[in-house]
Amino acid sequence: DAGVIQSPRHEVTEMGQEVTLRCKPISGHDYLFWYRQTMMRGLELLIYFNNNVPIDDSGMPEDRFSAKMPNASFSTLKIQPSEPRDSAVYFCASSFAGPSSGGSYEQYFGPGTRLTVT
Amino acid sequence: ILNVEQSPQSLHVQEGDSTNFTCSFPSSNFYALHWYRWETAKSPEALFVMTLNGDEKKKGRISATLNTKEGYSYLYIKGSQPEDSATYLCAVNNDYKLSFGAGTTVTVRA
Repeated sequence: DAGVIQSPRHEVTEMGQEVTLRCKPISGHDYLFWYRQTMMRGLELLIYFNNNVPIDDSGMPEDRFSAKMPNASFSTLKIQPSEPRDSAVYFCASSFAGPSSGGSYEQYFGPGTRLTVT
Repeated sequence: ILNVEQSPQSLHVQEGDSTNFTCSFPSSNFYALHWYRWETAKSPEALFVMTLNGDEKKKGRISATLNTKEGYSYLYIKGSQPEDSATYLCAVNNDYKLSFGAGTTVTVRA
Protein backbone atom coordinates (compact mmCIF):
# COMPACT_ATOMS: atom_id res chain seq x y z
CA ASP A 1 0.00 0.00 0.00
CA ALA A 2 1.20 3.53 -0.71
CA GLY A 3 0.27 4.74 2.74
CA VAL A 4 -1.85 7.77 3.50
CA ILE A 5 -1.75 10.20 0.59
CA GLN A 6 -2.26 13.92 1.00
CA SER A 7 -2.42 16.68 -1.56
CA PRO A 8 -1.21 19.24 -2.13
CA ARG A 9 2.04 18.97 -0.18
CA HIS A 10 2.39 22.74 -0.09
CA GLU A 11 -0.24 25.42 -0.50
CA VAL A 12 0.29 29.15 -0.50
CA THR A 13 -2.80 31.29 -0.70
CA GLU A 14 -3.99 34.78 0.06
CA MET A 15 -6.19 35.68 2.97
CA GLY A 16 -9.85 35.26 2.13
CA GLN A 17 -9.37 32.51 -0.41
CA GLU A 18 -10.85 29.05 -0.10
CA VAL A 19 -8.44 26.22 0.57
CA THR A 20 -9.17 22.52 0.10
CA LEU A 21 -6.88 19.85 1.46
CA ARG A 22 -7.26 16.26 0.32
CA CYS A 23 -6.57 12.89 1.88
CA LYS A 24 -6.69 9.29 0.72
CA PRO A 25 -6.50 6.88 3.67
CA ILE A 26 -4.95 3.45 3.62
CA SER A 27 -7.31 0.99 1.99
CA GLY A 28 -9.32 -0.93 4.55
CA HIS A 29 -8.86 1.59 7.34
CA ASP A 30 -12.16 2.63 8.82
CA TYR A 31 -11.01 5.63 10.84
CA LEU A 32 -9.70 8.88 9.42
CA PHE A 33 -8.29 11.78 11.42
CA TRP A 34 -7.38 15.36 10.53
CA TYR A 35 -4.71 17.05 12.65
CA ARG A 36 -3.13 20.48 12.65
CA GLN A 37 0.42 21.08 13.78
CA THR A 38 1.61 24.50 14.91
CA MET A 39 4.53 25.69 16.97
CA MET A 40 2.23 27.12 19.61
CA ARG A 41 -0.22 24.25 20.05
CA GLY A 42 1.67 21.22 18.80
CA LEU A 43 -0.30 18.43 17.17
CA GLU A 44 -4.02 18.81 17.73
CA LEU A 45 -6.93 16.73 16.52
CA LEU A 46 -9.46 18.64 14.43
CA ILE A 47 -11.99 15.98 13.48
CA TYR A 48 -12.25 12.27 12.94
CA PHE A 49 -14.47 9.95 10.92
CA ASN A 50 -15.55 6.36 11.39
CA ASN A 51 -16.86 4.60 8.29
CA ASN A 52 -17.16 7.96 6.54
CA VAL A 53 -19.27 9.47 9.31
CA PRO A 54 -17.92 12.42 11.33
CA ILE A 55 -17.74 11.30 14.96
CA ASP A 56 -16.16 14.23 16.76
CA ASP A 57 -15.51 17.66 15.30
CA SER A 58 -15.00 19.47 18.59
CA GLY A 59 -11.43 20.28 17.60
CA MET A 60 -12.44 22.24 14.52
CA PRO A 61 -11.44 25.80 15.39
CA GLU A 62 -14.41 27.62 13.90
CA ASP A 63 -17.09 27.59 11.27
CA ARG A 64 -14.62 28.49 8.56
CA PHE A 65 -13.38 24.91 8.79
CA SER A 66 -15.33 22.00 7.38
CA ALA A 67 -14.50 18.39 6.57
CA LYS A 68 -16.19 15.74 4.50
CA MET A 69 -15.67 12.10 3.71
CA PRO A 70 -17.89 11.21 0.75
CA ASN A 71 -16.48 7.67 0.54
CA ALA A 72 -14.04 5.33 2.23
CA SER A 73 -11.12 6.42 0.09
CA PHE A 74 -11.35 10.20 0.15
CA SER A 75 -11.69 13.06 2.58
CA THR A 76 -11.38 16.83 2.32
CA LEU A 77 -10.68 19.59 4.80
CA LYS A 78 -11.86 22.97 3.62
CA ILE A 79 -11.09 26.41 4.99
CA GLN A 80 -13.29 29.24 3.74
CA PRO A 81 -12.29 32.03 4.04
CA SER A 82 -8.68 31.38 4.98
CA GLU A 83 -6.78 33.61 7.40
CA PRO A 84 -3.05 34.00 8.13
CA ARG A 85 -3.50 32.30 11.51
CA ASP A 86 -4.56 29.14 9.68
CA SER A 87 -0.98 28.72 8.47
CA ALA A 88 0.17 25.33 9.74
CA VAL A 89 0.93 21.78 8.66
CA TYR A 90 -2.23 19.72 8.31
CA PHE A 91 -1.91 15.97 8.71
CA CYS A 92 -4.33 13.26 7.78
CA ALA A 93 -4.07 9.89 9.50
CA SER A 94 -5.96 6.64 9.24
CA SER A 95 -6.29 3.53 11.34
CA PHE A 96 -7.78 0.10 10.98
CA ALA A 97 -9.28 -0.42 14.40
CA GLY A 98 -10.57 2.59 16.25
CA PRO A 99 -11.28 3.40 19.85
CA SER A 100 -13.96 0.75 20.22
CA SER A 101 -11.22 -1.86 20.24
CA GLY A 102 -9.83 -0.49 23.45
CA GLY A 103 -7.72 2.21 21.89
CA SER A 104 -4.85 -0.11 21.06
CA TYR A 105 -4.63 1.02 17.48
CA GLU A 106 -1.86 2.66 15.49
CA GLN A 107 -2.51 5.69 13.40
CA TYR A 108 -0.70 6.00 10.10
CA PHE A 109 0.07 9.57 9.15
CA GLY A 110 0.26 11.11 5.73
CA PRO A 111 3.10 13.43 4.70
CA GLY A 112 1.11 16.53 5.59
CA THR A 113 0.13 19.67 3.74
CA ARG A 114 2.03 22.82 4.64
CA LEU A 115 -0.41 25.70 4.33
CA THR A 116 0.73 29.30 4.20
CA VAL A 117 -1.88 32.04 4.15
CA THR A 118 -0.51 35.48 3.36
CA ILE B 1 -8.32 16.54 25.66
CA LEU B 2 -5.90 14.99 28.14
CA ASN B 3 -2.91 16.80 29.61
CA VAL B 4 0.07 14.84 28.32
CA GLU B 5 3.46 16.15 29.34
CA GLN B 6 6.84 15.13 28.02
CA SER B 7 10.22 15.91 29.46
CA PRO B 8 12.72 17.06 28.70
CA GLN B 9 11.66 19.17 25.74
CA SER B 10 14.97 18.44 24.05
CA LEU B 11 18.19 16.62 24.72
CA HIS B 12 21.54 16.06 23.13
CA VAL B 13 23.33 12.75 23.40
CA GLN B 14 26.69 11.56 22.19
CA GLU B 15 26.72 8.77 19.65
CA GLY B 16 26.94 5.45 21.44
CA ASP B 17 25.46 6.73 24.69
CA SER B 18 22.09 5.64 25.99
CA THR B 19 19.29 7.99 26.98
CA ASN B 20 15.72 8.02 28.19
CA PHE B 21 12.87 10.47 28.58
CA THR B 22 9.43 10.64 30.10
CA CYS B 23 5.79 10.95 29.23
CA SER B 24 3.30 11.79 32.00
CA PHE B 25 -0.45 11.50 31.71
CA PRO B 26 -3.61 11.34 33.85
CA SER B 27 -3.96 7.78 35.11
CA SER B 28 -7.75 7.79 35.26
CA ASN B 29 -9.79 6.35 32.37
CA PHE B 30 -6.67 5.14 30.61
CA TYR B 31 -7.00 3.19 27.35
CA ALA B 32 -3.65 3.19 25.63
CA LEU B 33 -0.38 5.04 25.28
CA HIS B 34 1.31 5.55 21.95
CA TRP B 35 4.88 6.48 21.10
CA TYR B 36 5.60 8.04 17.72
CA ARG B 37 8.89 8.93 16.09
CA TRP B 38 8.83 12.12 14.02
CA GLU B 39 11.74 13.04 11.80
CA THR B 40 12.05 16.51 10.36
CA ALA B 41 10.09 16.98 7.13
CA LYS B 42 8.46 13.58 7.51
CA SER B 43 5.27 12.36 9.15
CA PRO B 44 4.96 10.75 12.60
CA GLU B 45 5.65 7.04 12.58
CA ALA B 46 4.19 4.70 15.19
CA LEU B 47 6.73 2.99 17.44
CA PHE B 48 4.67 1.35 20.17
CA VAL B 49 1.14 1.07 21.45
CA MET B 50 0.92 0.03 25.09
CA THR B 51 -2.16 -0.76 27.10
CA LEU B 52 -1.30 -2.76 30.20
CA ASN B 53 0.35 -1.61 33.40
CA GLY B 54 3.88 -2.96 33.42
CA ASP B 55 3.98 -3.34 29.65
CA GLU B 56 7.41 -3.28 28.09
CA LYS B 57 7.92 -3.04 24.36
CA LYS B 58 11.10 -3.15 22.33
CA LYS B 59 12.01 -2.38 18.73
CA GLY B 60 15.70 -2.69 18.02
CA ARG B 61 17.59 -0.34 20.32
CA ILE B 62 14.43 1.49 21.39
CA SER B 63 12.26 0.28 24.22
CA ALA B 64 9.43 1.65 26.34
CA THR B 65 7.81 0.92 29.68
CA LEU B 66 4.38 1.83 30.99
CA ASN B 67 3.06 2.55 34.48
CA THR B 68 -0.66 3.26 34.27
CA LYS B 69 -1.17 3.50 38.02
CA GLU B 70 1.16 6.45 38.42
CA GLY B 71 0.66 7.77 34.90
CA TYR B 72 4.01 7.68 33.19
CA SER B 73 5.97 5.98 30.45
CA TYR B 74 9.67 5.95 29.70
CA LEU B 75 11.25 5.64 26.29
CA TYR B 76 14.81 4.34 26.18
CA ILE B 77 17.34 4.54 23.38
CA LYS B 78 20.33 2.27 23.83
CA GLY B 79 23.57 3.07 22.07
CA SER B 80 22.23 6.16 20.28
CA GLN B 81 23.02 6.57 16.61
CA PRO B 82 22.71 9.71 14.43
CA GLU B 83 19.66 8.19 12.72
CA ASP B 84 17.87 8.23 16.09
CA SER B 85 17.74 12.02 15.89
CA ALA B 86 14.06 12.89 15.81
CA THR B 87 11.20 14.18 17.90
CA TYR B 88 9.56 11.46 19.96
CA LEU B 89 5.87 12.04 20.57
CA CYS B 90 3.80 10.46 23.27
CA ALA B 91 0.01 10.28 22.90
CA VAL B 92 -2.69 8.97 25.19
CA ASN B 93 -6.31 8.15 24.55
CA ASN B 94 -8.92 7.51 27.19
CA ASP B 95 -12.04 6.87 25.23
CA TYR B 96 -11.90 8.11 21.68
CA LYS B 97 -9.29 10.79 21.14
CA LEU B 98 -5.52 10.86 20.97
CA SER B 99 -3.98 13.66 22.98
CA PHE B 100 -0.38 14.33 22.06
CA GLY B 101 2.41 15.68 24.19
CA ALA B 102 4.71 18.37 22.85
CA GLY B 103 7.46 15.84 22.19
CA THR B 104 11.08 15.32 23.16
CA THR B 105 13.53 16.27 20.46
CA VAL B 106 16.61 14.08 20.50
CA THR B 107 19.80 15.12 18.75
CA VAL B 108 22.55 12.55 18.52
CA ARG B 109 26.02 13.98 18.04
CA ALA B 110 28.50 11.96 16.04
